Amino acid sequence: DSGVTQTPKHLITATGQRVTLRCSPRSGDLSVYWYQQSLDQGLQFLIQYYNGEERAKGNILERFSAQQFPDLHSELNLSSLELGDSALYFCASSGAVNTGELFFGEGSRLTVL
Amino acid sequence: QKEVEQDPGPLSVPEGAIVSLNCTYSNSAFQYFMWYRQYSRKGPELLMYTYSSGNKEDGRFTAQVDKSSKYISLFIRDSQPSDSATYLCAMTPGSSGSARQLTFGSGTQLTVLP
Repeated sequence: DSGVTQTPKHLITATGQRVTLRCSPRSGDLSVYWYQQSLDQGLQFLIQYYNGEERAKGNILERFSAQQFPDLHSELNLSSLELGDSALYFCASSGAVNTGELFFGEGSRLTVL
Repeated sequence: QKEVEQDPGPLSVPEGAIVSLNCTYSNSAFQYFMWYRQYSRKGPELLMYTYSSGNKEDGRFTAQVDKSSKYISLFIRDSQPSDSATYLCAMTPGSSGSARQLTFGSGTQLTVLP
C-alpha cells in the first residue's frame, strides 16, 4: 500500500460528459502528480501541484483541469469527454527529499462510451 | 520519435533465468534514471534509482546506465514468478522541483514461468 488513495477506482461515462477524479496523497507529502496511462501512449505526465500551487504542466489537454486543496488532496476534472480519453489516471505524491521516488495510487480507470 | 523507447515485449522466461530489460533515450539532459514495477491493476512502484552513469545493485536486481550510449538496463537474476509484472523505465533531467516530471518508457511486460 503506497499510502496514496484514489477514487473512484472505475468510472464509466458517455462522450461529452464531465468527471472528477480525486486523490489523497501520502500523509505529509506536499506534491501531487497526475499521470494518464493508455495502451498506445504509456504513462504520460499531466500536471504537478505543490502545496496548493501548480508547479508544472505536461501533456494536459485544455479540457482537463486540476487543483490541489488546502488539505492537500487533489482533483482532476475531465470535461467534454471523448472516446480517446478512456485510460487509467494515476495520482502520485512525493516527499520533501528528492529521491526521484513517486508513490502512485492504484489509479482510476475511466471508460468513455 | 519518443524521448524514451522501450521494447513492450511480452517477454516470457523460465523461473531462475536472468532477465535483461532495456531502454534507450534521446534527451541528453536526463540525469536520473529509475525502474518502476507495475503489477496488474496496481500503480507503479519504484524498484531502482540511479544517478548518472554506472551500476547499482540491490539484491537480485542490477541497474546499469550508459549515458554515452543513452542506454539503460535492468537485470534480474534468479527470476521468480513473483517478478511477473510490467517494468517501466523512467528518467528526468535534474534535481529541481520539476525533476519528478518523469518521462516513462512504454513498459515491458514480463512473465516468469514456474
